[in-house]
Amino acid sequence: DIQMTQSPSSLSASVGDRVTITCRASQGSRNDLGWYQQKPGKAPKRLIYDATSLQSGVPSRFSGSGSGTEFTLTISSLQPEDFATYYCVQHNSYLWTFGQGTKVEIK
Amino acid sequence: EVQLVESGGGLVQPGGSLRLSCAASGFAFSTYWMHWVRQDAGKGLVWVSFISGDGSATNYADSAKGRFTISRDNAKNTLYLQMNSLRVEDTAVYFCARDKNWLPDYWGQGTLVTVSS
Repeated sequence: DIQMTQSPSSLSASVGDRVTITCRASQGSRNDLGWYQQKPGKAPKRLIYDATSLQSGVPSRFSGSGSGTEFTLTISSLQPEDFATYYCVQHNSYLWTFGQGTKVEIK
Repeated sequence: EVQLVESGGGLVQPGGSLRLSCAASGFAFSTYWMHWVRQDAGKGLVWVSFISGDGSATNYADSAKGRFTISRDNAKNTLYLQMNSLRVEDTAVYFCARDKNWLPDYWGQGTLVTVSS
């Protein structure tokens, strides 16, 4: 089974900062890779799918990049509503694997 | 508007059973794969199971194999997760989610399952 290693596990940033979160897969596979935002007590919200495609309605400051085994979520200019936990998830052979999550906190 | 509403969670003793339901509305339920995903308190997301639109294909995480069964009733627009032989470590919030582009897109708000004596 594929393992997803997400880093960092947490980060502190200020409004306006550029933030980058990385997920590394233990083996290369399809680009069925998504990024999700979750706020406390709420359901996850999909931001990115197919590694680079922006979910409808999601602000353009969110972007995804990467392929193969390394994928990145970038928030170009952090906004107050972006403080949350972010997860990657990859599909491979009808199994889905989540990263461990990255908590983005206010500096 | 896509809506997913889970129900059926609660307190159950180790070794017991529980059936979770997820009522779907706002989309053509039978044409979408569906997932169950769990989240332990204060922890990350863990995929549990998926089912294809017609129910002919399913798969499970190793932790669920042999104990959990995913199913759906497309006439009732409802997804199920039958959970047997429950363990303390199955305690979590269980979310149902619709699949689009090989990944969950819309999620329900979750239902809490507590396994404790």
